[in-house]
Amino acid sequence: DQQVKQNSPSLSVQEGRISILNCDYTNSMFDYFLWYKKYPAEGPTFLISISSIKDKNEDGRFTVFLNKSAKHLSLHIVPSQPGDSAVYFCAASDRNYGGSQGNLIFGKGTKLSVKP
Amino acid sequence: SAVISQKPSRDICQRGTSLTIQCQVDSQVTMMFWYRQQPGQSLTLIATANQGSEATYESGFVIDKFPISRPNLTFSTLTVSNMSPEDSSIYLCSGRTGVYNEQFFGPGTRLTVL
Repeated sequence: DQQVKQNSPSLSVQEGRISILNCDYTNSMFDYFLWYKKYPAEGPTFLISISSIKDKNEDGRFTVFLNKSAKHLSLHIVPSQPGDSAVYFCAASDRNYGGSQGNLIFGKGTKLSVKP
Repeated sequence: SAVISQKPSRDICQRGTSLTIQCQVDSQVTMMFWYRQQPGQSLTLIATANQGSEATYESGFVIDKFPISRPNLTFSTLTVSNMSPEDSSIYLCSGRTGVYNEQFFGPGTRLTVL
């Protein structure tokens, strides 16, 4: 049973518009969430994270929103650029993330295509 | 941040053989991990590589099939033993620093088993 779900395998957006990538989780013990971006033939690259004590974290064009009651988070990219075209993975971890335990659980990813 | 390199980057192997993947980190990391990404699937944690002791394996993964070593803080190996076509995947090394708890990934090793 998947604990982290990205229900949209792909998303196509016009350059300059907003990209919204969604992620749902089932484990209420998760309290730290991350987004990774992955280009072909490269490893995932850390993008942005959010702790469960917050409902929003912003870094430049990237903003992550967390709705704990709905067990849902989303990544907003504004404005979208062709270089943002990649696979985006959502990941979650429990309270022990910073300690010896606390592994990352990944979703299957959403492939974002930003068209010029 | 940490830069992680892996080799080989890809390999094609025959059924029944074994392949050892090397992972080198350019700075000390507190934790090192090995993941597998099967086609169309998410990244799945195989094990946590522990320095100087046996790795900690996740459910569904065993030491006989995936022996792991970590002789120091910046180097680890993963061996895929007695390979079958089902082992065809991308294998990724990952490290976590203690400062910001960000987790970094290597470029992956694309393994094809015939």
